Amino acid sequence: QQQVRQSSQSLTVWEGETAILNCSYENSAFDYFPWYQQFPGEGPALLIAIRSVSDKKEDGRFTIFFNKREKNLSLHIKDSQPGDSATYFCAASMNYNQGKLIFGQGTKLSIKP
Amino acid sequence: ETAVFQTPNYHVTQVGNEVSFNCKQTLGHDTMYWYKQDSKKLLKIMFSYNNKQLIVNETVPRRFSPQSSDKAHLNLRIKSVEPEDSAVYLCASSTWDRDERLFFGHGTKLSVL
Repeated sequence: QQQVRQSSQSLTVWEGETAILNCSYENSAFDYFPWYQQFPGEGPALLIAIRSVSDKKEDGRFTIFFNKREKNLSLHIKDSQPGDSATYFCAASMNYNQGKLIFGQGTKLSIKP
Repeated sequence: ETAVFQTPNYHVTQVGNEVSFNCKQTLGHDTMYWYKQDSKKLLKIMFSYNNKQLIVNETVPRRFSPQSSDKAHLNLRIKSVEPEDSAVYLCASSTWDRDERLFFGHGTKLSVL
């Protein structure tokens, strides 16, 4: 049973376009949703995160849109660059269960120049 | 800048052997983790240690055991490896608070022949 699900295993967009990565979750008690970025041969690194009290979080070219009622969220990457090519993981956790992040399966993003 | 150090980077071994992976963090964090990343990139938590106490154990096989000498070190020992243990093992650390940002090492890739 996959508690955090990413809708696409892979995604390809052209350089300069907006890449949209989707994620959904099952447990309505989840209240913290980070996105991690992983390059080949490296460990994942935190990119941006949102708490369930917010519906939007922006950091430069990266924006999370969060819909608590629908239990889904999306990561938008504006003006995609070839350097954004990586695997992106959506994750979730509950406040009272700190230290236990549940990861989605990951979406491999490729940016075509 | 790497602050979670894992050794070795790669390890090839045969079924039934014992292996041990090392992890050290220099961030002053109080919690460390081991994650397993399989060939499909799926990330699953195996263990976490907070103040030298095991606090999460995701029903991993008994042949896996974490070993900690202090809060900056968390090693992983696999007694009698199996083919399904082939994966990348990622060590991470964080502080035990609401903003549980995980800092990952580069991983140890294990191949079991």
